[in-house]
Amino acid sequence: GAGVSQSPSNKVTEKGKDVELRCDPISGHTALYWYRQSLGQGLEFLIYFQGNSAPDKSGLPSDRFSAERTGGSVSTLTIQRTQQEDSAVYLCASSLITGGVETQYFGPGTRLLVL
Amino acid sequence: AQTVTQSQPEMSVQEAETVTLSCTYDTSESDYYLFWYKQPPSRQMILVIRQEAYKQQNATENRFSVNFQKAAKSFSLKISDSQLGDAAMYFCAFNAGNMLTFGGGTRLMVKP
Repeated sequence: GAGVSQSPSNKVTEKGKDVELRCDPISGHTALYWYRQSLGQGLEFLIYFQGNSAPDKSGLPSDRFSAERTGGSVSTLTIQRTQQEDSAVYLCASSLITGGVETQYFGPGTRLLVL
Repeated sequence: AQTVTQSQPEMSVQEAETVTLSCTYDTSESDYYLFWYKQPPSRQMILVIRQEAYKQQNATENRFSVNFQKAAKSFSLKISDSQLGDAAMYFCAFNAGNMLTFGGGTRLMVKP
């Protein structure tokens, strides 16, 4: 079946602009995660959704970052007033529990470049 | 808090040979799961193998196997009969609840 998809694949924006990154999880996966991958910080957890609610937002780096999920499916990560340090690859994953083990499946990521 | 350490930033292997990538972790949890993910230049993180901490038997998936030493908190990945398509970044990851905690990655190069 179809995997996790993310759009856009690449995004170039100017400092101070807002950006929206989209994630379409695998159908039927109830949990959805956002991670950020940057050269200096490696792979960092940002936020986690179970259904439409976000029990864990502990990884969001500042109040410029927000995310929502609607219909238990698509999620949008919004970065307001982008800064150059926001440049990174933003990865989305959805998860399935099989045999008692939760396994996360990743999308191809969105590469964000803030000029 | 959990930490995951991959001490080898880069590794190189000859095609058809075997290579082992190291991973250690630190946690106070007793129930957790460990994963190896592969990230080729396409950026897509691909699950290679997973291990439940409560299982003593090491996981295997075709040419990929792990050496899980719970007491030592070690979780190495062995790739047998290496192929050119195995060249990628490899990330070790830990999960004790929801989010994954990743190591810094090992870049594997495969020489023809």
